[in-house]
Amino acid sequence: DAGVIQSPRHEVTEMGQEVTLRCKPISGHNSLFWYRQTMMRGLELLIYFNNNVPIDDSGMPEDRFSAKMPNASFSTLKIQPSEPRDSAVYFCASSLAPLNTEAFFGQGTRLTVV
Amino acid sequence: AQRVTQPEKLLSVFKGAPVELKCNYSYSGSPELFWYVQYSRQRLQLLLRHISRESIKGFTADLNKGETSFHLKKPFAQEEDSAMYYCALSSTQGGSEKLVFGKGTKLTVNP
Repeated sequence: DAGVIQSPRHEVTEMGQEVTLRCKPISGHNSLFWYRQTMMRGLELLIYFNNNVPIDDSGMPEDRFSAKMPNASFSTLKIQPSEPRDSAVYFCASSLAPLNTEAFFGQGTRLTVV
Repeated sequence: AQRVTQPEKLLSVFKGAPVELKCNYSYSGSPELFWYVQYSRQRLQLLLRHISRESIKGFTADLNKGETSFHLKKPFAQEEDSAMYYCALSSTQGGSEKLVFGKGTKLTVNP
């Protein structure tokens, strides 16, 4: 398995545009997490899914952010419209419950909104 | 609500010196705690977990429930230990588990 795969690796977009980040979890993993990493706030949990169902989206900053997991092998995080303060590195991670095993992270998507 | 606090944003030590990265948590249940590490240009990866009581790359961490702490220690730091370190707490919610991280500590080991 190639591990958790995120795309794109880098995204530069103009303020107001829609941005879609993609994640392919490790096959067989039943939990998927989206995190945002910034210098100021560290690694924030945005939303997580268990068996493709969103469990907790309380970390999603505002309505401009949405996430979906249509099947066990794919998830998206969408920002519409994007703003400069959304610039960050977005990580996707997957794990096989129970979580006291290990969460595996993707390489991240570096988003820059200008 | 669960929370993980890493009080030091930056930590700098010399090679061969002891290092301790602090982590405190708040959680009403029985905690599952981890340390993750992110080396330069690499993805975040698990370093160690408290239930394993293991030593990885010379690092150890002991869960102290009385002080609600899970500090990461190494007696003799090496330059290759320079990285970003995150303490994480796994909590159960709605029948599933989520992983919450502290803000991280950037460790620099100087030659």
